[in-house]
Amino acid sequence: AQSVTQLGSHVSVSEGALVLLRCNYSSSVPPYLFWYVQYPNQGLQLLLKYTSAATLVKGINGFEAEFKKSETSFHLTKPSAHMSDAAEYFCAVSVPGNDMRFGAGTRLTVKP
Amino acid sequence: ETGVTQTPRHLVMGMTNKKSLKCEQHLGHNAMYWYKQSAKKPLELMFVYSLEERVENNSVPSRFSPECPNSSHLFLHLHTLQPEDSALYLCASSQGVGEMNTEAFFGQGTRLTVV
Repeated sequence: AQSVTQLGSHVSVSEGALVLLRCNYSSSVPPYLFWYVQYPNQGLQLLLKYTSAATLVKGINGFEAEFKKSETSFHLTKPSAHMSDAAEYFCAVSVPGNDMRFGAGTRLTVKP
Repeated sequence: ETGVTQTPRHLVMGMTNKKSLKCEQHLGHNAMYWYKQSAKKPLELMFVYSLEERVENNSVPSRFSPECPNSSHLFLHLHTLQPEDSALYLCASSQGVGEMNTEAFFGQGTRLTVV
């Protein structure tokens, strides 16, 4: 079955610094991959998705992610962190005929 | 507005109470889901419905009982819960189960506290 692993349950960066949140996937077939963001006491909101078109995917709020098949990775990046980026981020994978599987989440803290 | 609405947003219930969580989606989707999100644990998929039929039940205790009367509405009936059932319960919908390129849309969740 497909799965994702998010490396690091908590990441802390300074405002203006690079954000890098790591996600590795496991799938026996080409996967579709997603990043979601969750603000406190809210549901999950889609940031971006990879659907086998371009390997570099741009999302909302200046985030992007690159699909690397050789590394089975789909890391999320943002060049310059903003205070409003503080939230929990979830990587998810979907394959044909199956529901979506989520990672354990990474909490991003942004220091002033 | 995400298109998926959950009520109530907050619920406190005793262990002997019976209550229900409601979810409604306005997106024309055919699949709906219940997830449980506990502190410091991964998101747990509880139930999946496709075209009003349950297609997956991940060994959820019988004190949680889902109901999907139509493709737009999903309920989670709760009875004799335990304090460890306190969590954020999230509803989601998608175009279909197993349709890869369609993302799940989430409601804002119901914060449940069992006392």
